[in-house]
Amino acid sequence: GDSVTQMEGPVTLSEEAFLTINCTYTATGYPSLFWYVQYPGEGLQLLLKATKADDKGSNKGFEATYRKETTSFHLEKGSVQVSDSAVYFCALSVTNAGGTSYGKLTFGQGTILTVHP
Amino acid sequence: SAVISQKPSRDICQRGTSLTIQCQVDSQVTMMFWYRQQPGQSLTLIATANQGSEATYESGFVIDKFPISRPNLTFSTLTVSNMSPEDSSIYLCSVRSILNYGYTFGSGTRLTVV
Repeated sequence: GDSVTQMEGPVTLSEEAFLTINCTYTATGYPSLFWYVQYPGEGLQLLLKATKADDKGSNKGFEATYRKETTSFHLEKGSVQVSDSAVYFCALSVTNAGGTSYGKLTFGQGTILTVHP
Repeated sequence: SAVISQKPSRDICQRGTSLTIQCQVDSQVTMMFWYRQQPGQSLTLIATANQGSEATYESGFVIDKFPISRPNLTFSTLTVSNMSPEDSSIYLCSVRSILNYGYTFGSGTRLTVV
């Protein structure tokens, strides 16, 4: 079946440090990949997405590139801020060969990021 | 993207009772989903809400425990029935927009069962 594996957390960084959160996936069809962020006490917000191989999603200084050869979608940011402290979820949805989406999202386990001043 | 209003935002309930959570979207969407997020855990799909027909449940979730309605393209409800403390979780409504292939989530309902 479909699955998403994120790097073990939590991750603790100092402000302005470089961030990488690893995400790999297995998919039975053609995946689209997403990163969601959940700030304390809030719901999920879409951070970025990529719908085909070699696409790069970017938003708010975060980037992730859909690498089909390594089945990965690692999240990176060059200089984190205290306000980036949150839980980050990698997720995928799958489309079959006929282009029909199964609709649902499959999530990784989430990575807690804490950024200290 | 679609804007979701989910109610209530939180509730504390007695075991054995039921709670109905509402999800209202500001535009017509193709697909609506209900997820559960247990404390410190990731999101697990409960079911896909189908307009005018029975919801499609994921393995481990049953209609008697989590009845779902979707009377039209913009509204759905999830009921958590005969609650126990193990049902204490955040329940989230999500919709899929066909226009930009995005998924939007409601702010969630934080349920505590005592």
